Amino acid sequence: SQQGEEDPQALSIQEGENATMNCSYKTSINNLQWYRQNSGRGLVHLILIRSNEREKHSGRLRVTLDTSKKSSSLLITASRAADTASYFCAETQGGSEKLVFGKGMKLTVNP
Amino acid sequence: NAGVMQNPRHLVRRRGQEARLRCSPMKGHSHVYWYRQLPEEGLKFMVYLQKENIIDESGMPKERFSAEFPKEGPSILRIQQVVRGDSAAYFCASSPASRTGELFFGEGSRLTVL
Repeated sequence: SQQGEEDPQALSIQEGENATMNCSYKTSINNLQWYRQNSGRGLVHLILIRSNEREKHSGRLRVTLDTSKKSSSLLITASRAADTASYFCAETQGGSEKLVFGKGMKLTVNP
Repeated sequence: NAGVMQNPRHLVRRRGQEARLRCSPMKGHSHVYWYRQLPEEGLKFMVYLQKENIIDESGMPKERFSAEFPKEGPSILRIQQVVRGDSAAYFCASSPASRTGELFFGEGSRLTVL
Protein backbone atom coordinates (compact mmCIF):
# COMPACT_ATOMS: atom_id res chain seq x y z
CA SER A 1 0.00 0.00 0.00
CA GLN A 2 1.07 3.58 -0.57
CA GLN A 3 2.57 5.12 2.53
CA GLY A 4 4.24 8.42 1.81
CA GLU A 5 1.97 11.39 1.53
CA GLU A 6 3.34 14.66 0.23
CA ASP A 7 2.09 17.98 1.46
CA PRO A 8 1.08 20.32 -0.08
CA GLN A 9 -0.23 18.54 -3.16
CA ALA A 10 0.44 21.55 -5.35
CA LEU A 11 2.65 24.58 -4.90
CA SER A 12 3.13 27.60 -7.12
CA ILE A 13 5.97 30.03 -6.44
CA GLN A 14 8.05 32.68 -8.18
CA GLU A 15 11.53 32.07 -9.47
CA GLY A 16 14.10 32.70 -6.76
CA GLU A 17 11.83 31.71 -3.90
CA ASN A 18 12.35 28.59 -1.81
CA ALA A 19 10.02 25.61 -2.06
CA THR A 20 9.37 23.25 0.81
CA MET A 21 7.62 19.93 0.40
CA ASN A 22 6.73 17.62 3.23
CA CYS A 23 6.27 13.89 3.30
CA SER A 24 4.75 11.75 6.03
CA TYR A 25 4.92 8.00 6.34
CA LYS A 26 3.38 5.43 8.61
CA THR A 27 5.81 2.60 9.26
CA SER A 28 9.47 2.28 10.11
CA ILE A 29 11.76 2.82 7.16
CA ASN A 30 15.22 1.83 5.98
CA ASN A 31 15.64 5.00 4.01
CA LEU A 32 13.60 7.70 2.36
CA GLN A 33 14.19 9.00 -1.14
CA TRP A 34 12.98 11.93 -3.18
CA TYR A 35 12.38 11.77 -6.92
CA ARG A 36 11.39 14.29 -9.55
CA GLN A 37 9.22 13.68 -12.58
CA ASN A 38 8.89 16.10 -15.44
CA SER A 39 5.63 15.91 -17.31
CA GLY A 40 5.46 12.81 -19.47
CA ARG A 41 8.88 11.58 -18.42
CA GLY A 42 10.37 8.99 -16.11
CA LEU A 43 11.40 9.63 -12.53
CA VAL A 44 14.81 10.96 -11.66
CA HIS A 45 16.40 10.26 -8.30
CA LEU A 46 17.26 13.40 -6.33
CA ILE A 47 18.48 12.36 -2.91
CA LEU A 48 18.42 9.50 -0.40
CA ILE A 49 18.46 9.89 3.35
CA ARG A 50 18.99 6.90 5.61
CA SER A 51 16.97 6.27 8.74
CA ASN A 52 19.94 7.15 10.97
CA GLU A 53 20.53 10.49 9.24
CA ARG A 54 18.77 13.73 10.10
CA GLU A 55 19.77 16.07 7.30
CA LYS A 56 21.39 15.87 3.91
CA HIS A 57 22.37 18.40 1.26
CA SER A 58 22.87 18.15 -2.47
CA GLY A 59 23.37 21.39 -4.37
CA ARG A 60 20.21 23.46 -3.91
CA LEU A 61 18.42 20.57 -2.23
CA ARG A 62 18.16 20.02 1.48
CA VAL A 63 16.37 17.02 2.95
CA THR A 64 15.54 16.45 6.59
CA LEU A 65 14.22 13.34 8.26
CA ASP A 66 12.41 13.18 11.60
CA THR A 67 11.82 9.54 12.45
CA SER A 68 10.00 10.42 15.67
CA LYS A 69 7.38 12.28 13.63
CA LYS A 70 7.69 9.93 10.66
CA SER A 71 8.19 12.86 8.34
CA SER A 72 10.65 14.26 5.85
CA SER A 73 10.94 17.58 4.08
CA LEU A 74 12.56 18.59 0.82
CA LEU A 75 13.70 22.17 0.47
CA ILE A 76 14.65 23.60 -2.90
CA THR A 77 16.42 26.91 -2.54
CA ALA A 78 16.56 29.69 -5.12
CA SER A 79 14.06 27.92 -7.34
CA ARG A 80 14.22 28.09 -11.12
CA ALA A 81 11.58 27.64 -13.79
CA ALA A 82 13.32 24.37 -14.67
CA ASP A 83 12.42 23.03 -11.21
CA THR A 84 8.79 22.86 -12.35
CA ALA A 85 7.90 19.18 -11.97
CA SER A 86 6.18 16.67 -9.73
CA TYR A 87 8.10 15.55 -6.68
CA PHE A 88 7.66 12.23 -4.94
CA CYS A 89 8.91 10.81 -1.71
CA ALA A 90 9.44 7.07 -1.53
CA GLU A 91 10.49 4.69 1.17
CA THR A 92 11.72 1.19 1.68
CA GLN A 93 10.19 -0.49 4.69
CA GLY A 94 11.62 -3.09 7.03
CA GLY A 95 12.60 -6.21 5.15
CA SER A 96 10.90 -5.22 1.92
CA GLU A 97 12.91 -4.70 -1.24
CA LYS A 98 10.37 -2.49 -2.93
CA LEU A 99 10.19 1.28 -3.03
CA VAL A 100 6.77 2.65 -2.07
CA PHE A 101 5.86 6.04 -3.54
CA GLY A 102 3.59 8.78 -2.32
CA LYS A 103 1.07 10.49 -4.57
CA GLY A 104 3.41 13.32 -5.38
CA MET A 105 3.38 17.08 -5.26
CA LYS A 106 3.24 19.35 -8.28
CA LEU A 107 5.60 22.32 -8.09
CA THR A 108 5.23 25.22 -10.50
CA VAL A 109 7.96 27.84 -10.57
CA ASN A 110 6.86 30.95 -12.44
CA PRO A 111 9.54 32.95 -14.25
CA ASN B 1 26.23 3.89 -20.60
CA ALA B 2 22.66 3.72 -21.81
CA GLY B 3 19.94 4.19 -19.26
CA VAL B 4 16.94 1.99 -18.70
CA MET B 5 15.30 1.39 -22.05
CA GLN B 6 11.60 0.77 -22.37
CA ASN B 7 9.66 0.00 -25.49
CA PRO B 8 7.32 0.67 -26.95
CA ARG B 9 6.94 4.20 -25.63
CA HIS B 10 3.33 4.26 -26.73
CA LEU B 11 1.05 1.31 -27.32
CA VAL B 12 -2.58 1.28 -28.38
CA ARG B 13 -4.62 -1.86 -27.95
CA ARG B 14 -8.29 -2.75 -28.31
CA ARG B 15 -10.11 -4.43 -25.47
CA GLY B 16 -9.31 -8.12 -25.34
CA GLN B 17 -5.92 -7.85 -27.01
CA GLU B 18 -2.57 -8.51 -25.39
CA ALA B 19 0.00 -5.89 -24.46
CA ARG B 20 3.70 -6.67 -24.07
CA LEU B 21 5.97 -4.08 -22.55
CA ARG B 22 9.72 -4.51 -22.60
CA CYS B 23 12.42 -3.18 -20.33
CA SER B 24 16.17 -3.42 -20.68
CA PRO B 25 17.86 -2.45 -17.42
CA MET B 26 21.01 -0.42 -17.20
CA LYS B 27 24.19 -2.31 -17.91
CA GLY B 28 25.29 -4.23 -14.86
CA HIS B 29 21.90 -4.02 -13.17
CA SER B 30 20.25 -7.32 -12.31
CA HIS B 31 17.18 -6.05 -10.45
CA VAL B 32 14.08 -4.80 -12.22
CA TYR B 33 10.95 -3.18 -10.84
CA TRP B 34 7.68 -2.42 -12.63
CA TYR B 35 5.36 0.38 -11.56
CA ARG B 36 2.05 1.65 -12.91
CA GLN B 37 1.04 5.29 -12.90
CA LEU B 38 -2.43 6.61 -13.55
CA PRO B 39 -2.83 10.25 -14.67
CA GLU B 40 -2.13 12.75 -11.91
CA GLU B 41 -1.26 9.97 -9.45
CA GLY B 42 1.80 8.42 -7.91
CA LEU B 43 3.48 5.21 -8.86
CA LYS B 44 2.04 1.94 -7.66
CA PHE B 45 4.44 -0.95 -7.24
CA MET B 46 3.65 -4.01 -9.30
CA VAL B 47 6.52 -6.47 -9.26
CA TYR B 48 10.20 -6.85 -8.43
CA LEU B 49 12.33 -9.33 -10.33
CA GLN B 50 15.88 -10.54 -10.44
CA LYS B 51 17.25 -12.58 -13.27
CA GLU B 52 14.95 -15.59 -13.72
CA ASN B 53 13.22 -14.97 -10.40
CA ILE B 54 10.16 -13.09 -9.22
CA ILE B 55 11.05 -11.69 -5.82
CA ASP B 56 7.93 -9.69 -4.92
CA GLU B 57 4.76 -9.63 -6.97
CA SER B 58 2.50 -8.27 -4.26
CA GLY B 59 1.34 -5.41 -6.48
CA MET B 60 0.42 -7.49 -9.48
CA PRO B 61 -3.25 -8.11 -10.23
CA LYS B 62 -4.01 -11.78 -9.78
CA GLU B 63 -5.30 -12.26 -13.28
CA ARG B 64 -4.17 -11.24 -16.75
CA PHE B 65 -0.85 -9.73 -15.63
CA SER B 66 2.49 -11.52 -15.67
CA ALA B 67 6.13 -10.53 -15.65
CA GLU B 68 9.39 -12.21 -16.41
CA PHE B 69 13.06 -11.36 -16.47
CA PRO B 70 14.86 -14.13 -18.37
CA LYS B 71 18.53 -14.93 -18.16
CA GLU B 72 18.99 -13.34 -21.56
CA GLY B 73 17.01 -10.43 -22.91
CA PRO B 74 14.77 -7.76 -21.48
CA SER B 75 12.17 -7.98 -18.76
CA ILE B 76 8.65 -8.34 -20.10
CA LEU B 77 5.41 -7.15 -18.54
CA ARG B 78 2.53 -8.92 -20.22
CA ILE B 79 -1.11 -7.93 -19.94
CA GLN B 80 -3.59 -10.32 -21.44
CA GLN B 81 -7.13 -9.44 -22.52
CA VAL B 82 -6.65 -5.76 -21.79
CA VAL B 83 -9.49 -3.64 -20.48
CA ARG B 84 -9.92 0.14 -20.49
CA GLY B 85 -8.83 0.29 -16.85
CA ASP B 86 -5.38 -0.97 -17.87
CA SER B 87 -4.73 2.33 -19.64
CA ALA B 88 -1.80 3.87 -17.78
CA ALA B 89 1.89 4.61 -17.93
CA TYR B 90 4.02 1.62 -16.99
CA PHE B 91 7.48 2.40 -15.69
CA CYS B 92 10.41 0.10 -15.33
CA ALA B 93 13.29 0.77 -13.00
CA SER B 94 16.52 -1.06 -12.35
CA SER B 95 19.13 -1.18 -9.63
CA PRO B 96 22.52 -2.82 -9.18
CA ALA B 97 21.85 -4.06 -5.64
CA SER B 98 18.89 -5.42 -3.79
CA ARG B 99 18.60 -3.01 -0.90
CA THR B 100 18.21 0.64 -0.12
CA GLY B 101 19.76 2.08 -3.23
CA GLU B 102 18.27 4.46 -5.74
CA LEU B 103 16.27 3.22 -8.67
CA PHE B 104 16.98 4.24 -12.22
CA PHE B 105 13.81 4.71 -14.22
CA GLY B 106 13.01 4.37 -17.88
CA GLU B 107 10.83 6.86 -19.72
CA GLY B 108 7.81 4.63 -19.45
CA SER B 109 5.42 2.86 -21.80
CA ARG B 110 2.04 4.49 -22.21
CA LEU B 111 -0.71 2.00 -22.85
CA THR B 112 -4.02 3.16 -24.22
CA VAL B 113 -6.86 0.67 -24.43
CA LEU B 114 -9.64 1.60 -26.82
